[in-house]
Amino acid sequence: GEDVEQSLFLSVREGDSSVINCTYTDSSSTYLYWYKQEPGAGLQLLTYIFSNMDMKQDQRLTVLLNKKDKHLSLRIADTQTGDSAIYFCAAVSSARQLTFGSGTQLTVLP
Amino acid sequence: DTAVSQTPKYLVTQMGNDKSIKCEQNLGHDTMYWYKQDSKKFLKIMFSYNNKELIINETVPNRFSPKSPDKAHLNLHINSLELGDSAVYFCASSHRRGGNFNEQFFGPGTRLTVL
Repeated sequence: GEDVEQSLFLSVREGDSSVINCTYTDSSSTYLYWYKQEPGAGLQLLTYIFSNMDMKQDQRLTVLLNKKDKHLSLRIADTQTGDSAIYFCAAVSSARQLTFGSGTQLTVLP
Repeated sequence: DTAVSQTPKYLVTQMGNDKSIKCEQNLGHDTMYWYKQDSKKFLKIMFSYNNKELIINETVPNRFSPKSPDKAHLNLHINSLELGDSAVYFCASSHRRGGNFNEQFFGPGTRLTVL
């Protein structure tokens, strides 16, 4: 089955860029997602990328996909304190199930 | 308007009890899910269900059972609660479109504490 891995913690200064990395194992994954979980809340879809794309940009967010290495990253430009949250990488496995990574706790320091 | 709602938000109970968590979605989705998030924030799927099939994660004990009275609801019943069941349980829903795109909408979670 699909295995998705992320580092657990990332701290950045306000105004810097944040880069959260993710690796997955199933090369047939067609969609890859980034979800955001704020404290005490459920997950919200932040952005996604289709597997035939290398990059997707949406305002402050940039998703890079290296399909050969099965590596996905999320870059947040000009990181703000409101960006502090847990970010989950997810991939669609067979039977359309989402497999989530362990989540990366992003802490933005003033 | 709340898209995916869960009740209760908090549930504190004794070991051995039987409890239920309710989930409702008003998005017209045809597939619903239950996830368990442990204290380390790891998120694991427990069930996915639409009107045609129930997919169960094989690691889920049979003390857990989903019940769907209609397409808008998927409740989670837990029998003989154990200490290790303490976690946050999330309900989610999605629309089964063509292809593999699967955007899921999550409820706010139910924090279950077993004493």
